Amino acid sequence: QSVLTQPPSTSGTPGQRVTISCSGSSSNIGSNTVSWYQQLPGAAPKLLIFSNNQRPSGVPDRFSGSKSGTSASLAISGLQSEDEADYYCTTWDDSPNGWVFGGGTKVTVL
Amino acid sequence: QVQLVQSGAEVKKPGASVKVSCKASGYSFMNHNIIWVRQAAGQGLELVGWMSPHNIKARLAQKFQGRVTMTGDSSIGTAYMELSSLRSEDTAVYYCARGAQGGWYFDLWGRGTLVTVSS
Repeated sequence: QSVLTQPPSTSGTPGQRVTISCSGSSSNIGSNTVSWYQQLPGAAPKLLIFSNNQRPSGVPDRFSGSKSGTSASLAISGLQSEDEADYYCTTWDDSPNGWVFGGGTKVTVL
Repeated sequence: QVQLVQSGAEVKKPGASVKVSCKASGYSFMNHNIIWVRQAAGQGLELVGWMSPHNIKARLAQKFQGRVTMTGDSSIGTAYMELSSLRSEDTAVYYCARGAQGGWYFDLWGRGTLVTVSS
């Protein structure tokens, strides 16, 4: 049972926009910034979004993040076949002190 | 090239210990925390713990306290994670990742080390 709640899966057709939610509490998302990671099949996770809505260099602007209260969201616009992957949210939890993860969301491109 | 290079796959028997290494390359090892995360087949990411290379002080997720030791050798820029009293449920890919400077996220990941526990 993950501390942060994500939907197990979502899907879309090429070009569509999909969103992934990440729900937490006042001690984690409500108090700290959220980061998102993309894990392609058979690969290590890769940083996608940090500090709620910032993209590292090299990450397409099709990916965007937001946070409101105790929830965060990742949006993928203009969905592409190479976006088919697992996506994880994470943040620091003040109680107990440590990083917590979402259970991951599998994005399927139909 | 900035990267984290992890040691190779391991096969261990129940009750044994395993030590996984994570070598920092292309950046100053002392300037970033190292976090360890594991992933069982078909499952999500699970925090094992993290370590500050400055003082080699490790903090562990509660379920791993007493079974995991995290150390580092700054002379060769390498972090280690040792897991003892292995059981089948410990079979997973173990990742090390770099904590970003001044930020609460992980900006560089190793490729992972598969640890298989089997009799």
